[in-house]
Amino acid sequence: DAGITQSPRHKVTETGTPVTLRCHQTENHRYMYWYRQDPGHGLRLIHYSYGVKDTDKGEVSDGYSVSRSKTEDFLLTLESATSSQTSVYFCAISDEGGSYNEQFFGPGTRLTVL
Amino acid sequence: GNSVTQMEGPVTLSEEAFLTINCTYTATGYPSLFWYVQYPGEGLQLLLKATKADDKGSNKGFEATYRKETTSFHLEKGSVQVSDSAVYFCALSRYNQGGKLIFGQGTELSVKP
Repeated sequence: DAGITQSPRHKVTETGTPVTLRCHQTENHRYMYWYRQDPGHGLRLIHYSYGVKDTDKGEVSDGYSVSRSKTEDFLLTLESATSSQTSVYFCAISDEGGSYNEQFFGPGTRLTVL
Repeated sequence: GNSVTQMEGPVTLSEEAFLTINCTYTATGYPSLFWYVQYPGEGLQLLLKATKADDKGSNKGFEATYRKETTSFHLEKGSVQVSDSAVYFCALSRYNQGGKLIFGQGTELSVKP
């Protein structure tokens, strides 16, 4: 199994509070991705990174920011959480950004915003 | 825009039944196509993929053929097992897009003994 961990695994927070989710990899893969999973929508890309300090927006980036200061860590921040951000968040990694490359997924973080 | 549409679930089958999960896509150019599987309480893992038209991806008894003429990538298995119960996601990735995946909504499969 690819070495990907996510923390925390579960979090309950209140509307308006900041939240940071962490993805940590031990595979030295260049590409890292944050997705959210919601019923009826499958997974949707929030942000991704193609190297240290290199990030770009995905399909549903509003209300989220990311940072990558080290190859192994990719942080997702909700500056002011809203109930619409209640979801399961998955981090994924890939050694290259080719369209044919497999992505390896972490176990997910279940976030509830009250 | 680019999108993936899967048949709605849940799909309930008896053990040893034949499985088909339909997937169609809309994309410019020649995307790569994937099936990912999510077992209960876990992240997604790659089941199979195909990178060009007429390619057949296969793994663990599952198969899917990249059909450009019908823009489809249907997942099939001849004889399902209880252990195949999971959520299946069809996805595409376009060339020179940083490997970003566009997913279908997922199809839940439940296999009964």
